[in-house]
This record gives sequence, structure tokens and C-alpha cells, in this order.
Amino acid sequence: ILNVEQSPQSLHVQEGDSTNFTCSFPSSNFYALHWYRWETAKSPEALFVMTLNGDEKKKGRISATLNTKEGYSYLYIKGSQPEDSATYLCAFYGGGATNKLIFGTGTLLAVQP
Amino acid sequence: DAGVTQSPTHLIKTRGQQVTLRCSPKSGHDTVSWYQQALGQGPQFIFQYYEEEERQRGNFPDRFSGHQFPNYSSELNVNALLLGDSALYLCASSRTTEKLFFGSGTQLSVL
Repeated sequence: ILNVEQSPQSLHVQEGDSTNFTCSFPSSNFYALHWYRWETAKSPEALFVMTLNGDEKKKGRISATLNTKEGYSYLYIKGSQPEDSATYLCAFYGGGATNKLIFGTGTLLAVQP
Repeated sequence: DAGVTQSPTHLIKTRGQQVTLRCSPKSGHDTVSWYQQALGQGPQFIFQYYEEEERQRGNFPDRFSGHQFPNYSSELNVNALLLGDSALYLCASSRTTEKLFFGSGTQLSVL
């Protein structure tokens, strides 16, 4: 059974704080690592798809890094805003028999004004 | 361009009944995946359809079945519903292994 783990489970920060969370995934048969943002009452929305070891992606104040050899990815949010409040999901896409996206349980971020 | 659309948005069924959920993928997408999200969990992969065939399947019993039509739309069928089947069912479309575009889900309640 392949495990994708995210930590922390939830995070409460003040507006303006920078924050980061972790996604751990199997280091073998790696194909891609996805990050999604899921706001309440909306559909999950893709943030990044990362495929190369050492990859860094950035979208506004949000960035992500990838280490496929040790099996982890970090998501960073600089200067959190209330509109960043959402559940952040990562998903591992492996090749071969694991040729499907496996999601973690997510990190729930609440940004207080 | 319509995104991924799912119907119905909410559904209430009783134990033992059967249910069909529907999904229309985003224009240009040929792959449809179905996920179940129970309270407190991340989305759990049910199965994926490509070219009208089930390509991959998660750890779900045979009571969960699906279909993909020539226009790429898809159905998820669940037979002999159990209380534990109550969840949000998400459909996502993509072009092969690219990022997923999700619908807003069908909230199924089994009483």
C-alpha cells in the first residue's frame, strides 16, 4: 500500500505570516507530484505539477520544492492572506502498477486577519 | 468553456439502493477519474477511465462500477449502498497524466 503523508494536519496562522507544509511520498517509481488547493464549497484546483528532482515552482506568493530521491515536497506560502485559507492536498503519481494519483489527507490552513 | 460538471449535486438514498452519478469532463480531456472523499480524509481513488475502458482501479469493492461514453462523459454506479458509502464523490478529468480538473462533486447521503 502506497502512502502519501502530509503534515501538519492543520495550521492556524496570522495574516502576514509565512508558512510551509510537507508532503512525503514513496521515493520509488516516481512520475509526478501534484499540489492542489481546495477552498471550502469549491472544487480542488491544481497549483503545481512537479516532475523533476530539485524542481521549484512558483505562483504568486506560493512556491513548492521537490526532492524525489528522499520522497518529499514542501509548499511555502509567503505573507499569508485570509484568502489563502484552504485545504492543501498533494498527490503522488507513480508509474507502472501505481499509475494513478494517490492523495494525501491534506493540510488545512486557516489564516486569521 | 465549461469545466467539469457533475450531477446531481446532492443525493439521499437508503441502504441497499443503487445510485448513478454523472460527470462531463472539461472540453478536450479524454481521461476521467473518480474519487471518494469521506469526512476527515483525502480523496480516495476509485477508478479511472480512458478510451471507454477502466484503466486503473483503487481499493474499492465490485459494488462500485463505472462507464465512459464515446463523448468521454462518465458514470459511477454504486450498488447495494451501505451507510459507509456516504461521502463526497468527485470526478476529475485530464489529458492522460496531466493535472486534474475537478468537478464540484456529488454529496451522497445513505440513510
